[in-house]
Amino acid sequence: DAGITQSPRHKVTETGTPVTLRCHQTENHRYMYWYRQDPGHGLRLIHYSYGVKDTDKGEVSDGYSVSRSKTEDFLLTLESATSSQTSVYFCAISEPMRDRDVGYTFGSGTRLTVV
Amino acid sequence: GESVGLHLPTLSVQEGDNSIINCAYSNSASDYFIWYKQESGKGPQFIIDIRSNMDKRQGQRVTVLLNKTVKHLSLQIAATQPGDSAVYFCAETYYGGATNKLIFGTGTLLAVQP
Repeated sequence: DAGITQSPRHKVTETGTPVTLRCHQTENHRYMYWYRQDPGHGLRLIHYSYGVKDTDKGEVSDGYSVSRSKTEDFLLTLESATSSQTSVYFCAISEPMRDRDVGYTFGSGTRLTVV
Repeated sequence: GESVGLHLPTLSVQEGDNSIINCAYSNSASDYFIWYKQESGKGPQFIIDIRSNMDKRQGQRVTVLLNKTVKHLSLQIAATQPGDSAVYFCAETYYGGATNKLIFGTGTLLAVQP
């Protein structure tokens, strides 16, 4: 989607290796999120950020860490990848909804395979 | 690779028919609801939203109905087209909350038969 870019789009990595996924936005939105999507589970929130250096855990945060050193970038790190982290990862951005009736804008996703 | 559409409830409709996709939400404190469409290989896209002070909202060919009593949402698509084939998710949140966190349902696969 315009304004939000995820990289890489696809990655295969070995169990036990660290992996970092990047989300970059050009919309200057305050909020950024990382979700994972697995068959039968929909989208589940991993971590989110409500400002530079302000992050918090979502419902499935174990094994993941995040960093947001500037507004436009939100990094998701798998410290030691496991096969259970094989998934499609989506980044999303949003503005405070009290300002307007718009939900999230999602990136195109990163397909991660841990072998 | 495995499709996100596997293991999902599936609604199969004929082209031109109306589709109704249902969703039960979990949190009675949620007051803002969104429907998303996800095509294969893409991220979810916003379709329509509704606040809890409304029970119906219409868009172009889509209508969302909200029943707060039973915590139920539905998405109606009129004159369904092959391009409507996708996975549809409902999402809920608290409008004006500090973080805009959305909770997603597991999704429904809409398959439109020509």
